Amino acid sequence: GAVVSQHPSRVICKSGTSVKIECRSLDFQATTMFWYRQFPKQSLMLMATSNEGSKATYEQGVEKDKFLINHASLTLSTLTVTSAHPEDSSFYICSARDPGPFKETQYFGPGTRLLVL
Amino acid sequence: LAKTTQPISMDSYEGQEVNITCSHNNIATNDYITWYQQFPSQGPRFIIQGYKTKVTNEVASLFIPADRKSSTLSLPRVSLSDTAVYYCLVGDTGNQGGKLIFGQGTELSVKP
Repeated sequence: GAVVSQHPSRVICKSGTSVKIECRSLDFQATTMFWYRQFPKQSLMLMATSNEGSKATYEQGVEKDKFLINHASLTLSTLTVTSAHPEDSSFYICSARDPGPFKETQYFGPGTRLLVL
Repeated sequence: LAKTTQPISMDSYEGQEVNITCSHNNIATNDYITWYQQFPSQGPRFIIQGYKTKVTNEVASLFIPADRKSSTLSLPRVSLSDTAVYYCLVGDTGNQGGKLIFGQGTELSVKP
């Protein structure tokens, strides 16, 4: 299957700082990527849809000014958590839709563990 | 988007066949059914996808009845390493950009 990478895999930061997480599709081009957040023992929650060359679409209840998304190329989307606070500590996962044989398939990155102190 | 319902948890023993059923009564004509596996602190991994009838790959089989209101993921001869959370999702690239909404998933525990 298609490969999606994320960087960093783990980050610890102080409260009030901003953190950028990168999501890359390694062997295919993705016009659409998705960002999820997952708290312990819970399911993935879709935060936003990242569209190459246009503004991201945020799910209800997700602050667009706090979670900045940039999809500048067909292989890279970034999520920036601005002014992070302890409640933003979570597991952030991205996915990219592969327009290949399984056109409906999303492939997920390995996730980024964010800890805000 | 179609909502899915799965059992919260299942237990099995090594070597057994495990069948996890998912209900999606409101599935739309263009929706595909996709199953993912997730281990702790990892992103979900694609297992199998189908639209109707039966699909089989090297990992699992997916059974979808004619009305498509449910689907069953079949894992043959599970091992301890199959202990994970399994998610059933339905979605369509043409509608709402292909976004998928995760349900609670099924936590499968395989015992020796």
